[in-house]
Amino acid sequence: QLQLQESGPGLVKPSETLSLTCTVSGGSVSTNNYYWGWVRQAPGKGLEWIGSIYFTGYTYYSPSLKSRVTLSIDTSKDQFSLTLSDVTAADTAVYYCATTPPTIADDYWGQGILLSVSS
Amino acid sequence: EIVLTQSPGTLSLSPGERATLSCRASQFISSRFLAWFQQKSGQPPRLLIYGASSRATGIPDRFSGSGSGTDFTLTISRLEPEDFAVYYCQQYGNSPPFIFGPGTKVDF
Repeated sequence: QLQLQESGPGLVKPSETLSLTCTVSGGSVSTNNYYWGWVRQAPGKGLEWIGSIYFTGYTYYSPSLKSRVTLSIDTSKDQFSLTLSDVTAADTAVYYCATTPPTIADDYWGQGILLSVSS
Repeated sequence: EIVLTQSPGTLSLSPGERATLSCRASQFISSRFLAWFQQKSGQPPRLLIYGASSRATGIPDRFSGSGSGTDFTLTISRLEPEDFAVYYCQQYGNSPPFIFGPGTKVDF
């Protein structure tokens, strides 16, 4: 049973760069069963897919965020990461790491980490 | 870019009733790449249906998905108290973004 856990700062200042890491336990990111991705949810709003990365390093990004987002994967640590540059208040949200998009019959999500952007 | 529309926005039903949720796409989606998720307050989403009609691991058979092309449906045959939540569809075809619909809230 995979477990995913997000880590990173809870507060970032406007124009700074956010870095979040997802640590995978109970399995390996070096599997062709899953994509590893990030989804965010602004307070009281719906789900927004940010991007996904395969264990080979192949990435998919949301076009609306592509200019500011970079995903990376560290197979030696079973971690994958998100960096989001030039953040604004509109980036305030709960950020989830997950096996997204779905590829097989199960999926796994972290509990989410609240990121606030404020000076 | 594909846009997903979900209807209704809110569905007010009682336990034991049937729920029918709609997800409509602005362009053709291969049915292989349409999923449904359930999200309860304060929790991450949970995959219910993938490939438009295949139930995810551990999902009760009261949940079923159907549809093709641009029109997809999630049906909950008999609502249980734990089914009152927000439901999202997601398309994940060949081209990103792998967007979610705006959601349907099923409440009591």
